[in-house]
Amino acid sequence: QLQLQESGPGLVKPSETLSLTCSVSGDSINRDNYYWAWIRQPPGEGLEWVGSVYYTGSTYYNPSLKSRVTISVDTSKNQFSLNLSSVTAADTAVYYCASTPAYDGNTFSWGQGTLVTVSS
Amino acid sequence: ETVMTQSPATLSVSPGERATLSCRASQSVSRNLAWYQQKPGQAPRLLIYDVSTRATGVPARFSGSGAGTEFTLTISSLQSEDFAVYYCQQYNNWPITFGQGTRLEIK
Repeated sequence: QLQLQESGPGLVKPSETLSLTCSVSGDSINRDNYYWAWIRQPPGEGLEWVGSVYYTGSTYYNPSLKSRVTISVDTSKNQFSLNLSSVTAADTAVYYCASTPAYDGNTFSWGQGTLVTVSS
Repeated sequence: ETVMTQSPATLSVSPGERATLSCRASQSVSRNLAWYQQKPGQAPRLLIYDVSTRATGVPARFSGSGAGTEFTLTISSLQSEDFAVYYCQQYNNWPITFGQGTRLEIK
């Protein structure tokens, strides 16, 4: 069974870069039926897709965040990562890593989420 | 961008009754539509994918239907553990988008 686990700092200063890593277990990140995604949820609000990466390195980003987001995949470590630059308090959220299907079937999975607070 | 609009924002239903939640897409999402349940402090839980396929372990009282741009999640007989927030998600078009959520509360 696919399992995802987020890791990274829980506190980031304004204007700095938020960096998170998602470790994937239970399957290879190289499988072609997965998109690997980051999704966030500000406190008390709904879900916002940040972006996705395919094992080839192809990326898809939320247009509202595109200028500040980089998502990459490290197949040797079975991990993928999120960098969000120039953060403000509005980027405070629970960040989830997740998977969605590239073709068909149930390749959905979510990590437990990690709260990242932007504050000086 | 495909805008997903859920209705109602809040739904009050008594235990044992049926709940019907709606999700409308601003353009066709084919059959690439999922429903999630989220309880406080927890990650979203996948209930339904591909419009109507229940995820592993999801009770049969949860069912999904619809096509194109109009979708429905039905909970046939509400149990106490079903009171939560529900989100729809389309994964047919980039960017992936979610509805704003429907809060299902006890009447």
